[in-house]
Amino acid sequence: DVKVTQSSRYLVKRTGEKVFLECVQDMDHENMFWYRQDPGLGLRLIYFSYDVKMKEKGDIPEGYSVSREKKERFSLILESASTNQTSMYLCASSSQLGGYTFGSGTRLTVV
Amino acid sequence: GEDVEQSLFLSVREGDSSVINCTYTDSSSTYLYWYKQEPGAGLQLLTYIFSNMDMKQDQRLTVLLNKKDKHLSLRIADTQTGDSAIYFCADHGSSNTGKLIFGQGTTLQVKP
Repeated sequence: DVKVTQSSRYLVKRTGEKVFLECVQDMDHENMFWYRQDPGLGLRLIYFSYDVKMKEKGDIPEGYSVSREKKERFSLILESASTNQTSMYLCASSSQLGGYTFGSGTRLTVV
Repeated sequence: GEDVEQSLFLSVREGDSSVINCTYTDSSSTYLYWYKQEPGAGLQLLTYIFSNMDMKQDQRLTVLLNKKDKHLSLRIADTQTGDSAIYFCADHGSSNTGKLIFGQGTTLQVKP
C-alpha cells in the first residue's frame, strides 16, 4: 500500500522554538508539497519541490523553510514558531501527471 | 491566475443524491480531481477525470465535466452518513510541476 507518512499526528511547541515536520513517501514520486489548512481558508501551499535539492515557494512561504536532501523525504521547518502558525499541516506527493497522495496531517499547536 | 471555486456547504438527507459543484478558470486543464477529507484526517483521492471526457462513473460516484463552461460536478448517489466530509475539487491545469489548484472545499452534512 503506497504511503505518505508524516512523523507526528499532534505536536505542541513553544513560541520561538525551531520546529521540524517530516514527511516521507515510498512511491518514488518526483514532486512533494507542504500545505497548511485552516478553517475557512482551505488549503494553502507553503512550499513544494519537484526534485531533490529543488524547492519553490508557494503562496505563503513566510516564516517557513524546507529541505529535500533525498527524493523520499521533504521536511518543513518553522524557524521560530509563532502562535499564528498553529494549524493543520498536510504533506503530499505526486508524479508528474498524477494526483496527490496525502499524509494524515500534523496538527501543530504553538503556545 | 488559476482559480477553483466551490460552494462551502451542502446538507442532504440520508438516501438522497448529493451534487457538489466546482468551477475552474484554467482553459488548459488536463486532469480534474475530487478529494474527500474526513474529520482530523488527510485528503483521500476519490476520483478524477481527464479533460477530454464528459462523464466518469465509479459505483455511487458520477463526475460530470462541462469543459465549455469550466464546470465540474460530483454526484453521490444514495448518500450515507459515512459520506459526511469535506470534498475538494482540484485542477491540474497545465503545470509541469504536478502542482494542483484546490477549491476551498465543500462540507457535506448528511442527516439521518
